[in-house]
Amino acid sequence: DTEVTQTPKHLVMGMTNKKSLKCEQHMGHRAMYWYKQKAKKPPELMFVYSYEKLSINESVPSRFSPECPNSSLLNLHLHALQPEDSALYLCASSQEGDRGTDTQYFGPGTRLTVL
Amino acid sequence: AQSVTQLDSQVPVFEEAPVELRCNYSSSVSVYLFWYVQYPNQGLQLLLKYLSGSTLVKGINGFEAEFNKSQTSFHLRKPSVHISDTAEYFCAVSDQLSGGSNYKLTFGKGTLLTVNP
Repeated sequence: DTEVTQTPKHLVMGMTNKKSLKCEQHMGHRAMYWYKQKAKKPPELMFVYSYEKLSINESVPSRFSPECPNSSLLNLHLHALQPEDSALYLCASSQEGDRGTDTQYFGPGTRLTVL
Repeated sequence: AQSVTQLDSQVPVFEEAPVELRCNYSSSVSVYLFWYVQYPNQGLQLLLKYLSGSTLVKGINGFEAEFNKSQTSFHLRKPSVHISDTAEYFCAVSDQLSGGSNYKLTFGKGTLLTVNP
């Protein structure tokens, strides 16, 4: 099973709302990732968790707050977003985070629209 | 930092025709390369990967790619495409992040393959 699940599939929120995106994998992977993908563009890395600890933050604004409650779950908390934050948010996981040979498996994404 | 370049932003082809999607990588001692496909409104699915060994890599859905060190290329090919192959294709390289031991995927800009009847 190489499935990564993400909820919700779609999310519409106002600039004053607080919402969360959820990602789950049951492959025993120890590294999990958040990517942001704008239309017609490749995914851009936001955060990397390795063994449930935040190891990489790619200079992401503080209105995005990641959380890794356990090795299978990854959340992205959203607060006071801007319309330009509208995008497809992709979660991925890999067996380890420190091997270049690891394959990253992606979820279907959450389509976020900020009004 | 490693990078990949996808030379074609769009490739239109007719059904049952062969197709080649081009990808070039920046030179490095060791390089790990991936091709992903993204169907409309979906996530990314791994097509194939090159880590080491045989330079001809076979993937899912009849796709294959050849790692060419002298030309720093990793082109994706399929001998006969179907309408259902219409999608965005991303070439990616595994890139070690500075200041740590983690890796990320650095993607090319993508190639939109459109298969016409």
